[in-house]
Amino acid sequence: GAGVSQSPSNKVTEKGKDVELRCDPISGHTALYWYRQRLGQGLEFLIYFQGNSAPDKSGLPSDRFSAERTGESVSTLTIQRTQQEDSAVYLCASRGRGLNEQYFGPGTRLTVT
Amino acid sequence: KQEVTQIPAALSVPEGENLVLNCSFTDSAIYNLQWFRQDPGKGLTSLLLIQSSQREQTSGRLNASLDKSSGRSTLYIAASQPGDSATYLCAVGGYNKLIFGAGTRLAVHP
Repeated sequence: GAGVSQSPSNKVTEKGKDVELRCDPISGHTALYWYRQRLGQGLEFLIYFQGNSAPDKSGLPSDRFSAERTGESVSTLTIQRTQQEDSAVYLCASRGRGLNEQYFGPGTRLTVT
Repeated sequence: KQEVTQIPAALSVPEGENLVLNCSFTDSAIYNLQWFRQDPGKGLTSLLLIQSSQREQTSGRLNASLDKSSGRSTLYIAASQPGDSATYLCAVGGYNKLIFGAGTRLAVHP
């Protein structure tokens, strides 16, 4: 079946602009995660959605970052007033109910100029 | 706060060698530990997942071990091939997120 998909694959934006990144999880997966990977570094957790529960936003680095999820489907990560330090690959993952393994999308490479 | 460290940061070996990649973590209260492979410009591919109650998992030429009490995991790659060249990431699983190490960049040359 289809895996996790993300769009766009690449995004170049000017400093100060807002961007929206999209994630389509595997159908039926109740849990969805956003991570950030800066160049040469490991992944940093950003936010976690589980069903209709309140999301865990503990990894969001500032109030410029926000994310939404519609039910158990698509999620969008929004970065307002982008800064150069926001340049990174943003990865989305989903996990099925009762399962432990997270499945990752290909990521969105964001470059802020 | 959980911290994950991977050693070495980079490794270059000739084809055919057996390899050990190391991962250590500071908090033993984990649900599971996953090893991933990351190819340039691509997402992560899960290689092995070890539950906290398990000691090891095997898949083909890969074997991962977990010692929770000492906060260590190793990924053993047997008979390495050029196609194994990638970055290998270790991640420890809490209830609602994975904490990643910075990875080991592996190059296997013919």
